[in-house]
Amino acid sequence: QKEVEQNSGPLSVPEGAIASLNCTYSDRGSQSFFWYRQYSGKSPELIMSIYSNGDKEDGRFTAQLNKASQYVSLLIRDSQPSDSATYLCAVNDIYGGATNKLIFGTGTLLAVQP
Amino acid sequence: DADVTQTPRNRITKTGKRIMLECSQTKGHDRMYWYRQDPGLGLRLIYYSFDVKDINKGEISDGYSVSRQAQAKFSLSLESAIPNQTALYFCATSDLPRDEQFFGPGTRLTVL
Repeated sequence: QKEVEQNSGPLSVPEGAIASLNCTYSDRGSQSFFWYRQYSGKSPELIMSIYSNGDKEDGRFTAQLNKASQYVSLLIRDSQPSDSATYLCAVNDIYGGATNKLIFGTGTLLAVQP
Repeated sequence: DADVTQTPRNRITKTGKRIMLECSQTKGHDRMYWYRQDPGLGLRLIYYSFDVKDINKGEISDGYSVSRQAQAKFSLSLESAIPNQTALYFCATSDLPRDEQFFGPGTRLTVL
């Protein structure tokens, strides 16, 4: 059973701080990694995708990937109350050498305190 | 803007009724997916399709069926709705090589 694990939270950070969200995955063959933000009752929204080891920055968001440790993280700098949401980590499932569906974690609830 | 749309957005129905949820996309993506989400739980994949002639079961396909009428349209049917199918249903699309999934706004289904 291929799995994506996230701490459910809530992760509480003060406004202006750095929020660090973590995710581990079980399939060493995975090649594509995604972070989604989901507000309550709304659909998931893609924030970042990362495909190679290292850091990828986009505005206040930085995704970090370490394939050797099977670990992917999302850093949110200068956290705002509007960042309060559930963050979903997703990893692609490789089947027969081809990219297949995504496997989603259950999400981490982030609460940014004003 | 290229988009993913779902109809209806909300639906209340009774046990035993047949229900169809529809998904359309203007992104030109080949891959389409149906998920359900229950309160406090993650996304669970019901069915997915990688092209018009390809249909695959996900982890919770029992009680559901799908139809891929065209590249842009993917419908989910509940043949005989039951209360534990009350959930939020999402359609998503993606394309290779990046395989980023983009979600529709969701359908909130209540089965009484």
